[in-house]
Amino acid sequence: DAGVIQSPRHEVTEMGQEVTLRCKPISGHDYLFWYRQTMMRGLELLIYFNNNVPIDDSGMPEDRFSAKMPNASFSTLKIQPSEPRDSAVYFCASSPRGRGRTPSTIYFGEGSWLTVV
Amino acid sequence: AQTVTQSQPEMSVQEAETVTLSCTYDTSESDYYLFWYKQPPSRQMILVIRQEAYKQQNATENRFSVNFQKAAKSFSLKISDSQLGDAAMYFCAYRSAYFGNEKLTFGTGTRLTIIP
Repeated sequence: DAGVIQSPRHEVTEMGQEVTLRCKPISGHDYLFWYRQTMMRGLELLIYFNNNVPIDDSGMPEDRFSAKMPNASFSTLKIQPSEPRDSAVYFCASSPRGRGRTPSTIYFGEGSWLTVV
Repeated sequence: AQTVTQSQPEMSVQEAETVTLSCTYDTSESDYYLFWYKQPPSRQMILVIRQEAYKQQNATENRFSVNFQKAAKSFSLKISDSQLGDAAMYFCAYRSAYFGNEKLTFGTGTRLTIIP
């Protein structure tokens, strides 16, 4: 089975430009997560979806960030306008439902390395 | 809110020896999952092992095993017969089993170095 697929793997952009990160979760998974990793803040949750519906977006830094999940097989994370402090590795991850309604293991994509100059 | 604490920023071990990485967590929930993830320099997050809180038996995956102490809220990872490929950052993580709180909460990580 294919894992979580993220694109682009690497992106370098200029401050002020729009950045769109894409994610294809594992087929059949109910949950999709966006995480960000930086040296200063470690791994932090930005937002997660259950059955395409956003459940917790409290980690989204500010209005410059937005995430969508138009269907079960695709999600985007958009930054507009981008700033140097947005430079980080952005992970998409997905998870199936576990026993009963409880969740199960979360599987990560390889990450999108974003550099804003 | 749940918290995960890894008190060892760095650890080192001689190749073929055994090393234990510590993790403690804080929660008021009774049903949850605990994980150890490995992150090599490529930055990929690789699942090492998983423990379900309702299971008393400690999880084992080949050379990797955990010591899960639910009352003490402790979840340590033991790596036996350490290999050079085990060198990485290791993250302990907590996941609630309750709807609406299913995110992973990570510790700050332990960087493991293997000495040849």
